[in-house]
Amino acid sequence: DADVTQTPRNRITKTGKRIMLECSQTKGHDRMYWYRQDPGLGLRLIYYSFDVKDINKGEISDGYSVSRQAQAKFSLSLESAIPNQTALYFCATSDGTSGDNEQFFGPGTRLTVL
Amino acid sequence: KQEVTQIPAALSVPEGENLVLNCSFTDSAIYNLQWFRQDPGKGLTSLLLIQSSQREQTSGRLNASLDKSSGRSTLYIAASQPGDSATYLCAVWGGTSYGKLTFGQGTILTVHP
Repeated sequence: DADVTQTPRNRITKTGKRIMLECSQTKGHDRMYWYRQDPGLGLRLIYYSFDVKDINKGEISDGYSVSRQAQAKFSLSLESAIPNQTALYFCATSDGTSGDNEQFFGPGTRLTVL
Repeated sequence: KQEVTQIPAALSVPEGENLVLNCSFTDSAIYNLQWFRQDPGKGLTSLLLIQSSQREQTSGRLNASLDKSSGRSTLYIAASQPGDSATYLCAVWGGTSYGKLTFGQGTILTVHP
């Protein structure tokens, strides 16, 4: 089984809809991240969480919110989706106690906003 | 603000060649540097991680070096194979961008038989 899973893998929605992307991990890591990837712009951090009670904005948090329901679960919400949020979204995890903070990525969610 | 640049943007080589991918970063106060592989439409696979105190890491046919003071890293792939075709991403952790990985744009590698 994959260590970092994301659901759904693909989603098509309409402008104005509320969307939730979910991430779960079985690696036992304390740190979790949400990134988006756009052609020509690379990967950019949306939000990150170093433990259940810690949530931090990344460089492009506007229009997004997150919830860390448990150590293993980190959800990303688009409150009112817009077409320029069409992108590939990745969840990642790392072990903050390991010293090296190597990040491990999920398979991604392809989101299309019409 | 940390910026990461990867050169070349794309590379096409015949099978069997040894090749070098380059990564440079503007803020040398990093904690580590990570190399990833990404297949089209797929997630990122971590290849190698180099701590700031290390000079290089090796895994199979891959060798990554780090010169922190000059803000450079290279990924060396020996005896390339068609299965190595993918996008290779370099990312740094730390410095003025603490809390996140800063990614380069990637090098698209094609190895043809």
